[in-house]
Amino acid sequence: KAGVTQTPRYLIKTRGQQVTLSCSPISGHRSVSWYQQTPGQGLQFLFEYFSETQRNKGNFPGRFSGRQFSNSRSEMNVSTLELGDSALYLCASSLGGAPNNEQFFGPGTRLTVL
Amino acid sequence: AQSVTQLGSHVSVSEGALVLLRCNYSSSVPPYLFWYVQYPNQGLQLLLKYTTGATLVKGINGFEAEFKKSETSFHLTKPSAHMSDAAEYFCAVTPRTGGFKTIFGAGTRLFVKA
Repeated sequence: KAGVTQTPRYLIKTRGQQVTLSCSPISGHRSVSWYQQTPGQGLQFLFEYFSETQRNKGNFPGRFSGRQFSNSRSEMNVSTLELGDSALYLCASSLGGAPNNEQFFGPGTRLTVL
Repeated sequence: AQSVTQLGSHVSVSEGALVLLRCNYSSSVPPYLFWYVQYPNQGLQLLLKYTTGATLVKGINGFEAEFKKSETSFHLTKPSAHMSDAAEYFCAVTPRTGGFKTIFGAGTRLFVKA
């Protein structure tokens, strides 16, 4: 079974631009969560989608948004990029039926904002 | 709000020595508890989780963790460290009710000396 894939793996943008990251979950998984990982803040929860609906949201500004498609693939968008948005963005998928379901993580997208 | 505290951002052990990584959570109701490992340039992988039942949980790669409600702790141990255990370890919690939002600790980087 293929794992969670994230594209692109690396991205360089400049301040003020916007970016879209993509995540393909494991087949059969209906939940996708997004996390931002930085050396200073660690892993921070961005949002979680299940069956195309956002079920939970972290404490990030509205510049961070996401969506999920009917095939469970998810995209995350960041508008008006700031230097502080430079981070590793991780996507995780799970079956989604219960909060104790194991999350399977992708390798991440490394975003650098110049 | 739930929080997770990992004592020690860096832990160094000799090969063959006991590994002990500490995790404490704060919530009135014990959450679901997880330990994940992250190797360099990779996503996170689940080591083990506690949901209910036996408080000593065995995971992959010889790791185990014990849930102690009275101490609100879920420390991770391994009797004998291998060089391949060098990685970053994250404790995480998900509430049993009220949402599918996983909170991660800041992480502990484990160094294994030959």
